[in-house]
This record gives sequence, structure tokens and C-alpha cells, in this order.
Amino acid sequence: TQLLEQSPQFLSIQEGENLTVYCNSSSVFSSLQWYRQEPGEGPVLLVTVVTGGEVKKLKRLTFQFGDARKDSSLHITAAQPGDTGLYLCAGPNTGNQFYFGTGTSLTVIP
Amino acid sequence: NAGVTQTPKFQVLKTGQSMTLQCAQDMNHEYMSWYRQDPGMGLRLIHYSVGAGITDQGEVPNGYNVSRSTTEDFPLRLLSAAPSQTSVYFCASGQSYEQYFGPGTRLTVT
Repeated sequence: TQLLEQSPQFLSIQEGENLTVYCNSSSVFSSLQWYRQEPGEGPVLLVTVVTGGEVKKLKRLTFQFGDARKDSSLHITAAQPGDTGLYLCAGPNTGNQFYFGTGTSLTVIP
Repeated sequence: NAGVTQTPKFQVLKTGQSMTLQCAQDMNHEYMSWYRQDPGMGLRLIHYSVGAGITDQGEVPNGYNVSRSTTEDFPLRLLSAAPSQTSVYFCASGQSYEQYFGPGTRLTVT
């Protein structure tokens, strides 16, 4: 059983389009992190959201943490080929264990 | 700063062999962890440590041992390799819920 479910699993879009990736759980998280991973490399941290309802922007990327702290979304505006990669959400349990979602593989076609 | 380093980058083992995956960080982080990444399953936590001399099991600890004698190093030992341990292994270090990953070790067990 996956604690964090991500959707969609795969996404292929044209350059310039907008997209949203979702991360959902039945559990409450004290924080959620978003990572991007490129082939052959380790995940790289993009952002951490902590407060329910929080919205953070990183250039064309907008991250939102749900009011109940059970879900998060990542919205990309005007996607570019450089955005291609595997997007992972992650969160800590009440201890020190981190759970990762299964990931969304994004391909942006020039 | 080198960040998180892992060696080797690639390894092929025969069933029943043992080996140690090395991980080191130079950021003085107390928290270190090991994950395995398999297709369609995201990253799963194997073991983690909150400081020198302290280790604990994660989601999938069977077949793996760890130790933490220094803040910098966190080796992962495979006691008797099995084909089910074929995977990509990532080491991470971090603080305040944010983790920084190494480049990974791709392990194949035949």
C-alpha cells in the first residue's frame, strides 16, 4: 500500500502547455516536499510546504499544500523541455521516516 | 562542498555474495538515509540514522545492515545478495525535513 499516491503516472505535453500533478494521501503530513529527478541522477529538492493551504511559487512552478495537509499539487505554467523529468512528492511520518510517492514522469516535447 | 557521495556507481554481484555500498556527506547533517528505487514504486526507505551511533529500520530493511560510526559516513551492507535486491540505491542526508541525495548506485544481482 502506497502512503502517497501521485497522478498522473505519465504525462507527455507540448512545449508551452500548462499541467498539474497531484499528490494525495489519506494521512495527515506535517510537511510535504517535492523533488525532481533526471535520468541517472538522484532526486533534487524543489520545495517544502508546511502550512495547510500554503502556496509557494518557484518561477513557473506553483506548489500548493491542501488545507487538511493530506494532499499537494504542482502546477507548471508554459512548460519547457527543461522541465522534463520525474516529479516526486515525499513526506515524513510521525517519526523520522520519509515516504515517497510513485512519481509522475513528465515529458515536454519541443 | 561535495555534498553526498556514493561509491560504487555500478556493481554486479552473484547471488549469495556480500558487499558494502559507501555513502559520505560533508554537510554535517545528523540525518542520513538509504533508499532503493524500483520501476513504478518510487523510493522506499531501507534504513535511516538520526546521528552517530543511532540507526533504525525503514520500510524495507530485510537483507540489509547499516552502521553509523561517524556523522559523515553511513555504509549499507548487503549480507547475502539476492536477485530481488537488483535496484538503484540512493543515499541521502538532511535536516528539517529536507533531504539531499547522492548520485546513486545501480546494483544488479544475477
